[in-house]
Amino acid sequence: EVQVVESGGALVQPGGSLRLSCAASGFTFSLYWMNWVRQAPGKGLEWVANIKQDGSEKYYVDSVKGRFTISRDNAKNSLYLQMNDLRAEDTALYYCASGLGGLGYWGQGTLVTVSA
Amino acid sequence: DIQMTQSPSSLSASVGDRVTITCRASQSIRYYLNWYQQKPGKAPKFLISDASSLQSGVPSRFSGSESGTDFTLTISSLQPEDFATYYCQQSYSTPYTFGQGTKLEIK
Repeated sequence: EVQVVESGGALVQPGGSLRLSCAASGFTFSLYWMNWVRQAPGKGLEWVANIKQDGSEKYYVDSVKGRFTISRDNAKNSLYLQMNDLRAEDTALYYCASGLGGLGYWGQGTLVTVSA
Repeated sequence: DIQMTQSPSSLSASVGDRVTITCRASQSIRYYLNWYQQKPGKAPKFLISDASSLQSGVPSRFSGSESGTDFTLTISSLQPEDFATYYCQQSYSTPYTFGQGTKLEIK
């Protein structure tokens, strides 16, 4: 059974930093691109970033470039998102997601709230 | 970036109705279009890949099609469990943008 579990969300002040983690099991993690997708309260889905199987390619949505860094540890079946210089507009539920052809594996998300 | 425009943004329908949701890409994305269903408080569920490939376990009343840069999700006969929000997403080029969503409500 596929399991994806995000952690690390918290209340943080504007300008602060946070590191999200995602632990995956039930599929061969090292063979999949991994993604972060976020959803602001009451809003739609926004793709944030993804990383190739071996970590050699990483892509980001413009609004987080230079502030967020995606990484992975295939030995630990884990995905990470380092978030720096957080802004109010980064407040959202952050999902870790993956799959073939689309995003078929999702966690339940971890909530990041940026507020003073 | 490729913009994905969904219509309508909301839709009221009855059980048994045939429903169509449209997603338009701002440029060619070939067939790299996915559909998801999301219910309140839950993660999205992957329904269709590559514009028309139904994912395993998804009921056959769901179908997808494409015509150029226009993509359609059709539910042939609405069931009570289908009332949810639906999103399209292009996976042609990063950032893999989503449509704004279509909320399907019970009439």
